Amino acid sequence: EAQVTQNPRYLITVTGKKLTVTCSQNMNHEYMSWYRQDPGLGLRQIYYSMNVEVTDKGDVPEGYKVSRKEKRNFPLILESPSPNQTSLYFCASSLFSGRAKNIQYFGAGTRLSVL
Amino acid sequence: GEDVEQSLFLSVREGDSSVINCTYTDSSSTYLYWYKQEPGAGLQLLTYIFSNMDMKQDQRLTVLLNKKDKHLSLRIADTQTGDSAIYFCAAVISSGSARQLTFGSGTQLTVLP
Repeated sequence: EAQVTQNPRYLITVTGKKLTVTCSQNMNHEYMSWYRQDPGLGLRQIYYSMNVEVTDKGDVPEGYKVSRKEKRNFPLILESPSPNQTSLYFCASSLFSGRAKNIQYFGAGTRLSVL
Repeated sequence: GEDVEQSLFLSVREGDSSVINCTYTDSSSTYLYWYKQEPGAGLQLLTYIFSNMDMKQDQRLTVLLNKKDKHLSLRIADTQTGDSAIYFCAAVISSGSARQLTFGSGTQLTVLP
């Protein structure tokens, strides 16, 4: 089954404790992206990757890191989480970015609380 | 204003039609999308329209596109309680040399019995 898998689904942590949210897709997609969703703000892009070893900042990259060592995986790293990073996070993938037709497939989300 | 804008909330009675509106800024957007997010889930593509069309119908869903005004709408006929969700409009927006799929803030549709 074609899917984007994020783990964990729920995470409660404390300020400053490094964490990683994993994302994996099995559709051989080139493009992967991380978003955060906050009430009234919709989806805001954190980082994206157009291909292996190619990553770029989105609209709200501060406090986050990513890596793309393999095509299928795109982990999101919070080196020193802070309470303002409490949010719902989504990973997404698509065949290409920026082309005319760009259908993104989303993971189920990771709800993160930073105390 | 924002690149893709939508109102935040819409309430309708079961059986009525729902119309969710969206405006976007990039006239070169060739595909426009509607995604649906059910409670506790990720976004799923609902439908999309190519910019050389002004209407697309798919069962209870009708998408209308006014390219001149850069206005997109999603009409759901005979709205059911299962249609309660957040609906996101999305368009590929140019930003400098990059083109990115950009989402609106989402419209929370509540269907009242």
